[in-house]
Amino acid sequence: EVQLVESGGGLVQPGRSLKLSCAASGFTFSNYGMAWVRQAPTKGLEWVATISYDGSSTYYRDSVKGRFTISRDNAKSTLYLQMDSLRSEDTATYYCARHHYYSPYVMDAWGQGASVTVSS
Amino acid sequence: DIQMTQSPASLSASLGETVTIECRASEDIYNGLAWYQQKPGKSPQLLIYNANSLHTGVPSRFSGSGSGTQYSLKINSLQSEDVASYFCQQYYDYPPTFGAGTKLELK
Repeated sequence: EVQLVESGGGLVQPGRSLKLSCAASGFTFSNYGMAWVRQAPTKGLEWVATISYDGSSTYYRDSVKGRFTISRDNAKSTLYLQMDSLRSEDTATYYCARHHYYSPYVMDAWGQGASVTVSS
Repeated sequence: DIQMTQSPASLSASLGETVTIECRASEDIYNGLAWYQQKPGKSPQLLIYNANSLHTGVPSRFSGSGSGTQYSLKINSLQSEDVASYFCQQYYDYPPTFGAGTKLELK
């Protein structure tokens, strides 16, 4: 069974940093591109970042470019999101998601989410 | 970025009814469209990709159709477990973008 388990969320002040982790199991992690998708309270879904299966390529939405860094450790089957210079508008539940093997940017498995609140 | 407009924003339907949710893209997305279901308090789950391909394990009462800029999700014989929000997502163009969602409730 595919499982994605996020951790590392919490309350953080504006301008500070936070690092999310996503532990994957039930599939060959190193074969799949992975993504972070967020959802602000009572809002819709917003793609944040994607990393290729081997970590060689990364992609970000404009609003987080230069502040967030997506990375992975295939030996540990773990995905990361380093979030720096956090802003109030980054407040959201952050989901770790697996890219569909044949359809890039289709997310076919999701974690339960990690809540991030940016507030003073 | 390609804008995705979903309609309606919410709807109420009875058990056994057929429900249709629409999604319009701001430009042609060449069937690069997925549908997700998000039950209250849960994470999204993939239902449909490539506009009309049913994801593994998804009940056959769900179906997708459309082309160009207009797409739809149909739920036949509505069940109580279908109460959820539904989101469309285009992935034809970068960055991938989502619709605002449709909240489906039971009448």
